[in-house]
Amino acid sequence: KAGVTQTPRYLIKTRGQQVTLSCSPISGHRSVSWYQQTPGQGLQFLFEYFSETQRNKGNFPGRFSGRQFSNSRSEMNVSTLELGDSALYLCASSRQTGGRDNEQFFGPGTRLTVL
Amino acid sequence: GDSVTQMEGPVTLSEEAFLTINCTYTATGYPSLFWYVQYPGEGLQLLLKATKADDKGSNKGFEATYRKETTSFHLEKGSVQVSDSAVYFCALIRWSDGQNFVFGPGTRLSVLP
Repeated sequence: KAGVTQTPRYLIKTRGQQVTLSCSPISGHRSVSWYQQTPGQGLQFLFEYFSETQRNKGNFPGRFSGRQFSNSRSEMNVSTLELGDSALYLCASSRQTGGRDNEQFFGPGTRLTVL
Repeated sequence: GDSVTQMEGPVTLSEEAFLTINCTYTATGYPSLFWYVQYPGEGLQLLLKATKADDKGSNKGFEATYRKETTSFHLEKGSVQVSDSAVYFCALIRWSDGQNFVFGPGTRLSVLP
C-alpha cells in the first residue's frame, strides 16, 4: 500500500509570490491534515479536511488556505509569501476524522524556502 | 488550551544506554496520546500510542504508559542503538468539530557508538 505522497519535495520562492503544495493520501483515507514545521515554532496544525470539507483550522492567517478533492487529494495554498513562511509542510492522512484510535500517517513533507 | 511539554534536548547517549524522554500534557477531556519519531529528511512515523489510562504502548523496544493521574506519557527504551538517533515528538489528539494533533516541541536524541 502506497504511503502519503507530497509534491513537490522542495520549493524555492520569493517574497510576495504564491505557492501550491499537493498531498495524496493513502488509498481509502478520507481525512487530510496539514502541519507547518519550523525550528522556532515546532509542529503547528494548519487545517484538516474530510470529505472535501474543512473540519478544523489552526491559528494561521488567511493567506493559508486549502481544499480537498473528491478523490481525497488535497492542496494547500499560501499567498503573498513572507520570509517566515519558510518551513517544512507536512501532510497527514487518516481513515476518518475523530475517534480515539484514529491514526495519522505522515508524508515526507515539502520543504519551502522563501527568499 | 491543550498543550504538550517535553524534556529539552538534545539528549546524547552511548549505545546500549537506557533512555527516558519525559512528556506531560494539559488537556480538556480525555485525549489519546502518541509518540512519533522523525528521522533526518523524513516525515513523522508513528512509534506507539495509548488511548486510555494505564494503557502501555510499545514498539521496537520503546514503551510508554498513559498515566492520567500525573498527566504523563514518558518514553523509555532499555538499550538504545545508533539507529535510534532521531527527533521524538510526544503528541495528543483532540477533537473539536474535526481533529488535530497537538505536538510537543520534540527531543533530539543522538546515540554514539
